[in-house]
Amino acid sequence: AQSVAQPEDQVNVAEGNPLTVKCTYSVSGNPYLFWYVQYPNRGLQFLLKYITGDNLVKGSYGFEAEFNKSQTSFHLKKPSALVSDSALYFCAVRDLSGSARQLTFGSGTQLTVLP
Amino acid sequence: DAGVIQSPRHEVTEMGQEVTLRCKPISGHNSLFWYRQTMMRGLELLIYFNNNVPIDDSGMPEDRFSAKMPNASFSTLKIQPSEPRDSAVYFCASSPRTGAVEAFFGQGTRLTVV
Repeated sequence: AQSVAQPEDQVNVAEGNPLTVKCTYSVSGNPYLFWYVQYPNRGLQFLLKYITGDNLVKGSYGFEAEFNKSQTSFHLKKPSALVSDSALYFCAVRDLSGSARQLTFGSGTQLTVLP
Repeated sequence: DAGVIQSPRHEVTEMGQEVTLRCKPISGHNSLFWYRQTMMRGLELLIYFNNNVPIDDSGMPEDRFSAKMPNASFSTLKIQPSEPRDSAVYFCASSPRTGAVEAFFGQGTRLTVV
């Protein structure tokens, strides 16, 4: 079975400061990992993904994420937060070796960037 | 490309009524997913199709829920009869193939059952 944990329901950060949104995963094989963002009353928008290769993945809007296999983590980061980054962020995983084809999502982390 | 299109955007219905949610995936995508989002349970996968065939419907909560994909460009999620606890935002997503690629989400249907 595949699963994702986002340990923080809420993250607050001041504008201009770096931000981190945490994600850990569990799969039996190698993972595909994704981050999505959801703005109010909108669908989920894809931010970035890790498939293979470089552990540091760069995505949309200046976001990046670091894959750490030993810690089974895929934390989302941004060097300098903007107020407009305030949204709900979801981490998702798919097990490469499993029969499941769907993405499993974490519970989401509400990011609030304070001006 | 117009993206994944869902209709209606909002639906308010009375308990016991039949509700049908509709989804048009992105052209050329062969995988389609229905998710439900609530405050209590977060984002749950209800069912997904591959090449119009239902692959995994283990997330469908009850027999009151059914989903169809009669062709590559259209899918429906039906609730009959609806109950207040079905109130949620229902998302449809599609992807060009399963595996390494991300899924693209529609804007969702906000269902309220009173």
